[in-house]
Amino acid sequence: QQPVQSPQAVILREGEDAVINCSSSKALYSVHWYRQKHGEAPVFLMILLKGGEQKGHEKISASFNEKKQQSSLYLTASQLSYSGTYFCGTGRRQNSGNTPLVFGKGTRLSVIA
Amino acid sequence: GAGVSQSPRYKVTKRGQDVALRCDPISGHVSLYWYRQALGQGPEFLTYFNYEAQQDKSGLPNDRFSAERPEGSISTLTIQRTEQRDSAMYRCASSPARGDVTEAFFGQGTRLTVV
Repeated sequence: QQPVQSPQAVILREGEDAVINCSSSKALYSVHWYRQKHGEAPVFLMILLKGGEQKGHEKISASFNEKKQQSSLYLTASQLSYSGTYFCGTGRRQNSGNTPLVFGKGTRLSVIA
Repeated sequence: GAGVSQSPRYKVTKRGQDVALRCDPISGHVSLYWYRQALGQGPEFLTYFNYEAQQDKSGLPNDRFSAERPEGSISTLTIQRTEQRDSAMYRCASSPARGDVTEAFFGQGTRLTVV
């Protein structure tokens, strides 16, 4: 079941903040966030593994609300380098112990000067 | 190697031909994943391996698609009797342990065009 991301696209001026949401209709075990720049491979940002967990990475942080089956990515004081498409990937338990990530359709973020 | 390596980077093939896409994961990584990514979309899961064992192939579109990882390292994704709808970016990713709790490293992908 593909997670739903919102918004689909957002344009920011340098220094502005943004929130990207990721929600699932299925119970989640983990949420992964990746950023992909045009023509490049997706690059890992962070993993959230349990409900209520928050993580930070420079000025990019995320939260995971297991009960609501959703995660949010927070970008503060955005920089030009933050431009790209952000994907959330969700994982669920399987008998084999791990699950392949199912990715959302992505949120295209453009930061302008 | 330093990262996940995929070859070829670009492949143009005629409809009906078979193609083999290669993935060389980061040395020592346990899990290896194949994804397909359409332009402007997120990666779509195809199949994955833990070591040499194929754990899940539920994402393979049909029986023309197959994958193997015979020695638990390099993997090959094979598409038989290619069709135009198979055109896409095929990405491989590897992770040092279980994929849902560790970072996955993606390769640069193979751009497949079926004409």
